[in-house]
Amino acid sequence: GQNIDQPTEMTATEGAIVQINCTYQTSGFNGLFWYQQHAGEAPTFLSYNVLDGLEEKGRFSSFLSRSKGYSYLLLKELQMKDSASYLCAVRDHSSASKIIFGSGTRLSIRP
Amino acid sequence: GAGVSQTPSNKVTEKGKYVELRCDPISGHTALYWYRQSLGQGPEFLIYFQGTGAADDSGLPNDRFFAVRPEGSVSTLKIQRTERGDSAVYLCASSQEAGADTQYFGPGTRLTVL
Repeated sequence: GQNIDQPTEMTATEGAIVQINCTYQTSGFNGLFWYQQHAGEAPTFLSYNVLDGLEEKGRFSSFLSRSKGYSYLLLKELQMKDSASYLCAVRDHSSASKIIFGSGTRLSIRP
Repeated sequence: GAGVSQTPSNKVTEKGKYVELRCDPISGHTALYWYRQSLGQGPEFLIYFQGTGAADDSGLPNDRFFAVRPEGSVSTLKIQRTERGDSAVYLCASSQEAGADTQYFGPGTRLTVL
């Protein structure tokens, strides 16, 4: 099975940078996702990493280290609208279509 | 283009009743997924369809839960003899094909069992 750990809550300041960490234990690994979810809304796709390294997409970057079972999501130039939950998810080894989600990190941005 | 839609947006029912939740995926997407999300938790996988067939239903919690996708497009999640513990947001997602990198989520149906 899969086990995914990420902090429950984080707070950051508008204009700053924040890093949200995710660690996972899995019997097999087939890719890691980050999703953003605003309160009461559906999750929206942010990034997908299958190889080690950093993927940059505008203000958001995602890093993966498969040997350490570790990923982080980096958000730069924080805006108030970035207040949301950030979900780390791993593609299940037994089924390429099954994604296992962590509990999410609720990020609050203060002015 | 239109995204994934789900109806109803809210459903309140009494313990023991039967409910149906509907999902309309993005046109042309062959893979469809159902998840359940409780407050403060991430989505929990229930079942996914590739075309008309349920390719993986290992996440369905028990035999009170059943889902169909008879024509390979719209899907219905059916819950019999609802229990208070079934209260959650039920999310549907679709992707172009099974194993695609991106799943697109609908807005969810909030089910409350009294």
